[in-house]
Amino acid sequence: QITLRESGPTLVKPTQTLTLTCTFSGFSLTTSRVGVAWIRQPPGKALEWLALVYWDDDKHYSPSLKNRVTITKDTSTNQVVLTLTNVDPVDTAAYYCAKGNRIDALNDWGQGILVTVSS
Amino acid sequence: DIQVTQSPASLSASVGDRVTITCRANQNIYNYISWFQQRPGKVPKLLIFFASRLQEGVPSRFSGSGSETDYTLTINSLQPDDFATYFCLQTYNTPWTFGQGTRIDIK
Repeated sequence: QITLRESGPTLVKPTQTLTLTCTFSGFSLTTSRVGVAWIRQPPGKALEWLALVYWDDDKHYSPSLKNRVTITKDTSTNQVVLTLTNVDPVDTAAYYCAKGNRIDALNDWGQGILVTVSS
Repeated sequence: DIQVTQSPASLSASVGDRVTITCRANQNIYNYISWFQQRPGKVPKLLIFFASRLQEGVPSRFSGSGSETDYTLTINSLQPDDFATYFCLQTYNTPWTFGQGTRIDIK
């Protein structure tokens, strides 16, 4: 059974750095073609893809966030970490991690974590 | 970046209706499109991947079609559980891009 779970702070202040961790089980990020992505969704709005890391450490980022976002993986702990610097209230959203790749898309999702950016 | 335009933004339908949602990309995405259902307060659920492949466990009333730039999600015989918001996602190139969503509510 594949599971993913997001963890991290639910309230951060503007200009701070947000660090979210995706802890997964049931698959390995050392397996060919496997990737883990981060997606967010502001309240009442559409989904937004943020970043993706593949089994071979190939990384991709949303250009709209490229200077602020970093994705890393730790295969020994089965975790993927998203770091977003200099947060703003517009970064308030539910943040999800999901397993996937180009063909299979995002086939398993975590439950999400609602992050509020407010002073 | 590949832009994806999803339509309509919302629609009203009745149980038993056939519903069609469309996503149009601004370039050929070679079937790298998937469809998700999201109920209020819930996690998105994958329905269709690679344009027409039904995700395991998804009812067969859901189907996907299309080619090049134009893709369609069809729901045959709408059921009460199907009243939700639907999103498409192109994965041909990064950045992956979602459509803006289509909300289906009860007529």
